[in-house]
Amino acid sequence: AQTVTQSQPEMSVQEAETVTLSCTYDTSENNYYLFWYKQPPSRQMILVIRQEAYKQQNATENRFSVNFQKAAKSFSLKISDSQLGDTAMYFCAFMKSSGAGSYQLTFGKGTKLSVIP
Amino acid sequence: GAVVSQHPSRVICKSGTSVKIECRSLDFQATTMFWYRQFPKQSLMLMATSNEGSKATYEQGVEKDKFLINHASLTLSTLTVTSAHPEDSSFYICSGLAALSYNEQFFGPGTRLTVL
Repeated sequence: AQTVTQSQPEMSVQEAETVTLSCTYDTSENNYYLFWYKQPPSRQMILVIRQEAYKQQNATENRFSVNFQKAAKSFSLKISDSQLGDTAMYFCAFMKSSGAGSYQLTFGKGTKLSVIP
Repeated sequence: GAVVSQHPSRVICKSGTSVKIECRSLDFQATTMFWYRQFPKQSLMLMATSNEGSKATYEQGVEKDKFLINHASLTLSTLTVTSAHPEDSSFYICSGLAALSYNEQFFGPGTRLTVL
């Protein structure tokens, strides 16, 4: 079974500053996907960024980037130039890509991010 | 991105009654849909995986006779909470798996169930 650990229950950042959210995972799989989802107060889950495990290059989406360390099983999210709209719960998630239970998401407990004006 | 709708967005019912929640993929075909439950200030917990035309697969600890799932078409899955009790009050979220979009799950907006 896979586990996803987010060790920061809450974080805050000043507007326009940079913040990094941590995520580690445990798996015996070699092929998998990793995701960061954002859940604002509306509770709609929004995909922020995804990473395929076979890709060494870190994924980037505008102000969002990840630091994927496969050997260390670490997958942190960096948010640059933080904006008030980034205030939300952020969930790290794991998806195996083959075998039983493939394409199911295993979520971490989440990090509540507050962007301070 | 692909759109998933849920209906109703919130429902209040009396203890002992049944409630049906619909999950629709509006602009893609979802051969697989997932149902999650989220308690306040907690993460999403997978309840069951629903494949079109076959029986749902339930996670350990989820009562299949209480949470009935039907996935009759490639765009519709339903979750029926039978004989609801106050402890079933929660936020229920569905997602659809879009195989043509690198196996990304697209989430519905959720349904808040309150059982009195």
